[in-house]
Amino acid sequence: AQTVTQSQPEMSVQEAETVTLSCTYDTSESDYYLFWYKQPPSRQMILVIRQEAYKQQNATENRFSVNFQKAAKSFSLKISDSQLGDAAMYFCAYRASGSARQLTFGSGTQLTVLP
Amino acid sequence: DVKVTQSSRYLVKRTGEKVFLECVQDMDHENMFWYRQDPGLGLRLIYFSYDVKMKEKGDIPEGYSVSREKKERFSLILESASTNQTSMYLCASSRITVLRTDTQYFGPGTRLTVL
Repeated sequence: AQTVTQSQPEMSVQEAETVTLSCTYDTSESDYYLFWYKQPPSRQMILVIRQEAYKQQNATENRFSVNFQKAAKSFSLKISDSQLGDAAMYFCAYRASGSARQLTFGSGTQLTVLP
Repeated sequence: DVKVTQSSRYLVKRTGEKVFLECVQDMDHENMFWYRQDPGLGLRLIYFSYDVKMKEKGDIPEGYSVSREKKERFSLILESASTNQTSMYLCASSRITVLRTDTQYFGPGTRLTVL
């Protein structure tokens, strides 16, 4: 079974600084998809960024980028120019290719942004 | 915008009661999911459905059942609520896409307390 590990339960960053959230996963598949989801306090979970394993280029969405290391099975999220609105719980998630539809989530990292 | 709604934000029930959690999505998505979210454990999949009247067990189906009579509605049923089912319950939906990179859209969650 696939597992997703987020080893940092809590992180903090100063406003306008850069922070990196770690995620590792375990799979025997060669093709799969990785996601970062954000859950703000008392608000709905939303997708931040996604990466297809067959793509070598790291995904980027504005201030959010990933460092995808397939051989190391690592998928970290970098948030640049952190803003107060980035404070949230961040979840890393994995989905196998093929007919699989379900996601396997990590335990989450609570990010605090300090003014 | 996709909208996923859940019938209650907060719910308090007594041990042994039958509990219904309702989820409705308005984007004609084929897939719907029920997760429970617990601190330190992330999100764990209870059940999912890929079509009307179709369902598959997730990682922790024990003590739960589901119903999908209409495409837009997916219900989670706790046949006899127990205190260890006190948790946050999240519903999500997604559409099937050729590229398999379908995003899951989440509802606001229902915080269930079983006394």
